[in-house]
Amino acid sequence: DSGVTQTPKHLITATGQRVTLRCSPRSGDLSVYWYQQSLDQGLQFLIQYYNGEERAKGNILERFSAQQFPDLHSELNLSSLELGDSALYFCASSVAPGNEQFFGPGTRLTVL
Amino acid sequence: EDQVTQSPEALRLQEGESSSLNCSYTVSGLRGLFWYRQDPGKGPEFLFTLYSAGEEKEKERLKATLTKKESFLHITAPKPEDSATYLCAVQTSGTYKYIFGTGTRLKVLA
Repeated sequence: DSGVTQTPKHLITATGQRVTLRCSPRSGDLSVYWYQQSLDQGLQFLIQYYNGEERAKGNILERFSAQQFPDLHSELNLSSLELGDSALYFCASSVAPGNEQFFGPGTRLTVL
Repeated sequence: EDQVTQSPEALRLQEGESSSLNCSYTVSGLRGLFWYRQDPGKGPEFLFTLYSAGEEKEKERLKATLTKKESFLHITAPKPEDSATYLCAVQTSGTYKYIFGTGTRLKVLA
C-alpha cells in the first residue's frame, strides 16, 4: 500500500458525459501527479500540482482539467467523454517535485 | 522531441539467468531518471532515481546505472517474483514534464 488513495476504483459511463476522479496523496506529500495509461499508449503524464499550484503540464486534453485543493487532495475532471478516453487513470504523489513518486491503485474508466 | 525508448519490449528468463533492460532517452535536459516496477492492474512502484551520468543504485537483485544517453537495469539471478513490467521515466529540466517509456515486460520462469 503506497498511502495514495483514489476513488472510485471503477467508473462506467457513456460518451458525452462528465466524471470526476479523486486522489488523496500520502501524508506529508505536497506534489500530486495525474497519469493516463492505455494499452496502446503506455503511461502518459497529464499534469502536476505542487502545494495547490500547477507545476507542469503534459499531454492533457482541453476537455480535461484538474485542481489541487488546500487540504492537498486533487480532482481530475473529464468532460465530453469519448470512447478513446477509456483507460486507467493513476494519481501519484511526492514530497516535492522531482522526488520519487508513489502511485495510487488507479481508477479504471470505461466509456461506452 | 523528447523521447524515451525501452528495450526489449518483452523478456523471458529462466530463474537465475541474469540480464539487463535498456532505457535510452533523448531530452533537451535531464533532471532525473526513474525506474518503476508495475504489476498487472496496479500502480507503478518506485525503484530508483538517478540524476547524473556515472551514478549507480542497487537494491536486492536490481542495479540501475546511468550514462548521458541511456540507463540500464541489471537483474542478477532473478526469481519468479521479479516478473513484472519495468518502466523507465525521465523528468525534463525546464518544463519539469515526465516522459515514460512503454516498458519491458519481464517473465522469470521457475
